[in-house]
Formats: sequence, structure tokens, C-alpha cells
Amino acid sequence: QVQLQESGPGLVKPSETLSLTCTVSGGSISGYYWSWVRQPPGKGLEWIGYIFHTGNTKYSPSLKTRVTISVETSRNQFFLRLTSVTAADTAVYYCARHLWFGELSPFDYWGQGILVTVSP
Amino acid sequence: DIVMTQSPDSLAVSLGERATINCKSSQSVLFNSNSKNYLAWYQQKPGQPPKLLIYWASTRESGVPDRFSGSGSGTDFTLTISSLQAEDVAVYYCQQHYTFWTFGQGTKVELK
Repeated sequence: QVQLQESGPGLVKPSETLSLTCTVSGGSISGYYWSWVRQPPGKGLEWIGYIFHTGNTKYSPSLKTRVTISVETSRNQFFLRLTSVTAADTAVYYCARHLWFGELSPFDYWGQGILVTVSP
Repeated sequence: DIVMTQSPDSLAVSLGERATINCKSSQSVLFNSNSKNYLAWYQQKPGQPPKLLIYWASTRESGVPDRFSGSGSGTDFTLTISSLQAEDVAVYYCQQHYTFWTFGQGTKVELK
């Protein structure tokens, strides 16, 4: 059974960089696409970007100037960096796996999510 | 971006009754090369991540009860819960996976 676990700081100051790690267990990171999705408290879901195990990435147009997603296949981990954060970036951040049919697929496995608050 | 709009925002349904949620995309999500609609449905309960229910508009994910069904094509889609159970109380989201990934605003399903 594939499991995903987000980790990282729960509090980030405005203008600083948010950095999160997603650790995948119970399966290999290779061969799948992996995404980050966020959800502001009480609101809907927003896709941030994805990475393939080769390092190929795609980002949401609204966030692409501030987002970097990277992967470390040897550790079965992938990462999110979001620069110049503001209060609007306060959200639960989820990592998720794309379904078997590749890039243009929805997400079948999700982490439990980590709340990141942007505050002085 | 493809904008996804769900209706209604919330609905109250009695146990055993049918629940119907609609989702409209701002452009077609039908992939001509394979004739599949790139539309998914998720269920999210409080404090939990979303759970994939349906993809390709009508294909039920493994383990999802058959009271959940999806239909529609092009820009108009429907999620139907044929006989609502207590454990189905949740927020439901549609998502297009045709170009990038965008979600509807969510529909809250409650017990009447």
C-alpha cells in the first residue's frame, strides 16, 4: 500500500521560502507523476505543480514564478519550494500521486496534508 | 485555465435517497484521440485528504461503492449517489485532468 507523508515547517514568515518534503513508502517513486496540491483553510483545492521521476516538471501558471519542485529518487522523496510567501499562501499542502495512466491523470494516493501558516 | 463550476454549493438529502451534483467546465474536456472525458470526482471528509471516486467521467476507482456513478460528456457532468449513506456526508469536488488540473469549488452533502 503506497503511503505519502508531508513534512516541513508549519510556520513561515512573510517574504521567506516555504520548503516541504513528501516521502513515499510502500512503492517506488519511479514511473509515476507526483503533484503538490494546496487547500486554504475552509476553501477549495489548487494544483501547484508536478514532477516525474526523471525530473521533468510542470507548474501552475499562477504560481510558476515562485515554485520549484524537485525529486530525489534514491530516497523516494520529492520536494516543494515556494518563494516570497504571503498570508495568501497559508494552506494545507498535500502531496499526491498521479493515477497509472500517466501525466494527464487524476490523483489516487494523497498524503494526510500539512498545515503551513504564513505569519510574522 | 479551464474553470470548473459545481452546482449546487450544498444539498441536504435523506438517508437512502438520491444525491445529484453537477459540474460544468468552461471548455470541453473530451480527448478526441481516445474519446475519453478527462473529468474526475473526489470525496473529502473533514480533516482528511480528498479521495478519488471516479475518473474519465464514469470509471469508478477500485474499491468505490457502486452507489457512486458519474456521467456526462464535453462540458457537463454529473455525480450521482444512488442511495445516500451516513458515511457519504462530505464535500465533493470535480476536477478536470485535461489541461493542468483545476477543481470545482466543492459541493457539501449533508443529511436531511
